[in-house]
Amino acid sequence: EDQVTQSPEALRLQEGESSSLNCSYTVSGLRGLFWYRQDPGKGPEFLFTLYSAGEEKEKERLKATLTKKESFLHITAPKPEDSATYLCAVQAWGAQKLVFGQGTRLTINP
Amino acid sequence: NAGVTQTPKFRVLKTGQSMTLLCAQDMNHEYMYWYRQDPGMGLRLIHYSVGEGTTAKGEVPDGYNVSRLKKQNFLLGLESAAPSQTSVYFCASSSPTLDSILSGANVLTFGAGSRLTVL
Repeated sequence: EDQVTQSPEALRLQEGESSSLNCSYTVSGLRGLFWYRQDPGKGPEFLFTLYSAGEEKEKERLKATLTKKESFLHITAPKPEDSATYLCAVQAWGAQKLVFGQGTRLTINP
Repeated sequence: NAGVTQTPKFRVLKTGQSMTLLCAQDMNHEYMYWYRQDPGMGLRLIHYSVGEGTTAKGEVPDGYNVSRLKKQNFLLGLESAAPSQTSVYFCASSSPTLDSILSGANVLTFGAGSRLTVL
């Protein structure tokens, strides 16, 4: 069964303090690994798709990386507006559905 | 550009009552999904559809029914609501993007959610 585990559950940082969020996964053939951002009271918003180990993608202060067992979302010099819950999900080959992790709630204090 | 629209946004039901959540998308997406989100559980797939007139079960389908009579609409029904169905429900739709066209990975666009409370 495909599984996704995210850690930590919650992370509190000071503005400018860089860190990383972890997404560990087991999947029967990875078709894609996804990162989403979710603000309180809203639906998840797409950030990145990664397809194969070694791949990296960047967007502003965020960089996502992928290995065969896990993905990291690196946040460099974060700002308060980066506060949100970050969700990781995987899609297996032959499957239409995504399997989500529980998310990491990130808080950036000014 | 509306994207994915869910109605209603909030609803309170009594145990045993029935209701339907409506999801509408204006992006001509083929695939549509219903997820529920509970604290500590993440997003769990209830039912999904890969095209008009088709539906399939997800991880937690019991107590729910769905219909996709039109490509742009995906309805989620609760025939006899139970307190365990108190949750936030999200609809999503997808089609392969240019970035994912070779892999076919599904980038989901989500609605804003429908908060359902069953007393």
